[in-house]
Amino acid sequence: QSALTQPPSASGSPGQSVTISCTGTSSDVGGYNYVSWYQQHPGKAPKLMISEVSKRSSGVPDRFSGSKSGNTASLTVSGLQAEDEADYYCYSYAGSNNWVFGGGTKLTVL
Amino acid sequence: EVQLVESGGGLVQPGGSLRLSCAASGFTLRGYWMHWVRQAPGKGLLWVSQIHSDGSTTTYADSVKGRFTISRDDAKNMVYLQMNSLRAEDTAVYYCARDFAYSSDVWGQGTLVTVSS
Repeated sequence: QSALTQPPSASGSPGQSVTISCTGTSSDVGGYNYVSWYQQHPGKAPKLMISEVSKRSSGVPDRFSGSKSGNTASLTVSGLQAEDEADYYCYSYAGSNNWVFGGGTKLTVL
Repeated sequence: EVQLVESGGGLVQPGGSLRLSCAASGFTLRGYWMHWVRQAPGKGLLWVSQIHSDGSTTTYADSVKGRFTISRDDAKNMVYLQMNSLRAEDTAVYYCARDFAYSSDVWGQGTLVTVSS
């Protein structure tokens, strides 16, 4: 049950695009199309943004998109806005009714 | 409004026990898998445990296996986490979350557990 690997930080200017990676193994990210992404603002509960690799949750702007290639999943935020500044976590099913999170990425809008 | 509300957190001494509760409202718990996730102060999210909709299958993170027990009472629309032999490293905000397609689409606000002497 090793955590998925995310970069600790990412940044971009308003209007730019930024991509956050999430690297696992063939036992989790690579083995299932059950990768999801969460946004968490300070002091708040996580919010589901993307499920099943690329399905946007209800109400999530289409500026947010997800993808996966092999053992690495990615979250892309296009047209960055100030309110996108938050921590982002990936989460993957890891088989045998186990799940694993990434370590989290702090996104800064410059 | 679909909502989860956790309760039962607090200060407990190392080696002690605590039972967390998660009350669901706005939907029927029956039919949903449920999870507990925790977040230590200033740290990332950690999946702790899950329970299948019929309660037949429960799983745990290695760090809590043998010490924590997840359960549910669909008649009361409640999910529980019994935590025994608590350690300082169990200090965290504990969230319950509803499973949706192997993700978690509804989260509670969290309850803080502090393990300290």
